Amino acid sequence: ETGVTQTPRHLVMGMTNKKSLKCEQHLGHNAMYWYKQSAKKPLELMFVYNFKEQTENNSVPSRFSPECPNSSHLFLHLHTLQPEDSALYLCASSQGAVAGYTFGSGTRLTVV
Amino acid sequence: GDSVTQMEGPVTLSEEAFLTINCTYTATGYPSLFWYVQYPGEGLQLLLKATKADDKGSNKGFEATYRKETTSFHLEKGSVQVSDSAVYFCALIYNQGGKLIFGQGTELSVKP
Repeated sequence: ETGVTQTPRHLVMGMTNKKSLKCEQHLGHNAMYWYKQSAKKPLELMFVYNFKEQTENNSVPSRFSPECPNSSHLFLHLHTLQPEDSALYLCASSQGAVAGYTFGSGTRLTVV
Repeated sequence: GDSVTQMEGPVTLSEEAFLTINCTYTATGYPSLFWYVQYPGEGLQLLLKATKADDKGSNKGFEATYRKETTSFHLEKGSVQVSDSAVYFCALIYNQGGKLIFGQGTELSVKP
């Protein structure tokens, strides 16, 4: 149990579908993050939330829409994705810098 | 800008061999340094960290020393096991805050 829970673990969706990824932490952390991890590529930071406010969007296409209703929950809403969006999507949280980030186990997304 | 560079993988070793994974960083200030490990099908787990120069982080037989003079944080283990097969990520963050900056990851494969 890492303290950050992501659901679902696996998701297969068609290009016209709409789905959502969920991330939950009860560590009392005030920052949450979405990362994309594709095969043979570096980790890509997608979005950053601090105290529920989005503080960073790294030029992510609008077909990815994050939502942070409170400091414990983070969602990534997906619609009209492309096959190249297939990847492992990782959520992380943090409280201060020196403790590092705590990651969830990820959602393996396949777009067909 | 700030960056982290790791040795190219994959690294393939026999069980009980000595492991070194090189990590060097470029930073304008004095960051904290981390090693994360990602086992197959999982998210990233914090392996060890060091928050200032000459600190040594250690965990599960792995060690890394923060060397400011060579801007390095090399990961070592005296005797690897098959269960150590994973991808290892070096990362830095400034103590005042900001983003965790990752290296590209190094895949380790340990054969019996």
